[in-house]
Amino acid sequence: AQSVTQLDSHVSVSEGTPVLLRCNYSSSYSPSLFWYVQHPNKGLQLLLKYTSAATLVKGINGFEAEFKKSETSFHLTKPSAHMSDAAEYFCVVSETGANNLFFGTGTRLTVIP
Amino acid sequence: DVKVTQSSRYLVKRTGEKVFLECVQDMDHENMFWYRQDPGLGLRLIYFSYDVKMKEKGDIPEGYSVSREKKERFSLILESASTNQTSMYLCASSFRGRGHAFFGQGTRLTVV
Repeated sequence: AQSVTQLDSHVSVSEGTPVLLRCNYSSSYSPSLFWYVQHPNKGLQLLLKYTSAATLVKGINGFEAEFKKSETSFHLTKPSAHMSDAAEYFCVVSETGANNLFFGTGTRLTVIP
Repeated sequence: DVKVTQSSRYLVKRTGEKVFLECVQDMDHENMFWYRQDPGLGLRLIYFSYDVKMKEKGDIPEGYSVSREKKERFSLILESASTNQTSMYLCASSFRGRGHAFFGQGTRLTVV
């Protein structure tokens, strides 16, 4: 069975400070892991994905995530928050080669000027 | 660029009405999905289709049906809309076995 736990429903950071959004997953098989971002009243956009290549994955807009199998984690980070990063972020797991996606409940990121 | 287009951004329907939500993708994807998004619950899968005329129930199929007569189009049908179906509905598509899905802009449905 596969599942995703996003450890924080809401994270608030000041502009220019680092961002950390935490995600733990459970998967019986070799997982593919994704982070999606959703800006208000918009669809979901892929930020980055891990599919069993390098464990440190770089995405768009300066975000990156590290796959840690021993900790079953896939935390999303960014060195310096920008106002435009304010959005909802979803961690997603899929069995590699499978079709369905399993979503976390989301983390709302607020960036304070 | 991949495009997943949902026919409406906002819809208001009355209780008991039959409601059609349409989704079209232009990338020849085999898989198409309908999700429902509610605050604090994330995205929940309603139905999934992996080929024309093929469908599988997701986590919350009750009160919904789907139709996929052509590869590029996937319709979600609310047979008799109820107020607890007020929600944001998101369509997505992907290549078979590739995981990474592309999403439409969403349809915010209000049932009154």
